[in-house]
Amino acid sequence: DAGVTQSPTHLIKTRGQHVTLRCSPISGHKSVSWYQQVLGQGPQFIFQYYEKEERGRGNFPDRFSARQFPNYSSELNVNALLLGDSALYLCASSLERDQETQYFGPGTRLLVL
Amino acid sequence: LAKTTQPISMDSYEGQEVNITCSHNNIATNDYITWYQQFPSQGPRFIIQGYKTKVTNEVASLFIPADRKSSTLSLPRVSLSDTAVYYCLVGDALAGNMLTFGGGTRLMVKP
Repeated sequence: DAGVTQSPTHLIKTRGQHVTLRCSPISGHKSVSWYQQVLGQGPQFIFQYYEKEERGRGNFPDRFSARQFPNYSSELNVNALLLGDSALYLCASSLERDQETQYFGPGTRLLVL
Repeated sequence: LAKTTQPISMDSYEGQEVNITCSHNNIATNDYITWYQQFPSQGPRFIIQGYKTKVTNEVASLFIPADRKSSTLSLPRVSLSDTAVYYCLVGDALAGNMLTFGGGTRLMVKP
């Protein structure tokens, strides 16, 4: 089985632009979570989606939004990009909602200039 | 959420056993202890999880004393490919999937 996949792998944007990142969970996994990892730090939780509904939100501004589709894939959207949004964006999936064993994708590296 | 404290970095040599200790003084009754491994430019990978005493799998062992205020990840006979960042996480499995990562321990294995 394929693992968690994310696209694109790399992305360069300028301040003020909008970006959409995509994630496909492991087949059969219903929960998708998004994390932001700034260089040199651990991943920080952004969102969790389960059965197409938001189940958790981290301490991120409203410029960050996400959604989950009927096939359990997910999109993370970031509006009005700031230089500080430059980071590795990680998607993780798990079978059910309440599981700490999550499977992470390779991430999308976003650079905001 | 229980706060974790782990060494920023550790050095080791191939073939040695490596023990990384994590402090979590405020661990709650429902909290589990989970360790993840992360290689550069990759997502974290689950290594091991435990609640108390000792857990062992094909990759590592996890030692948890009776008071559960700390835990030790043990990697037997490390190789160069074990060079990575290791994260200790403490959380309530029933509280959802919001994993809280600290700074992790950067392990460097030398030949």
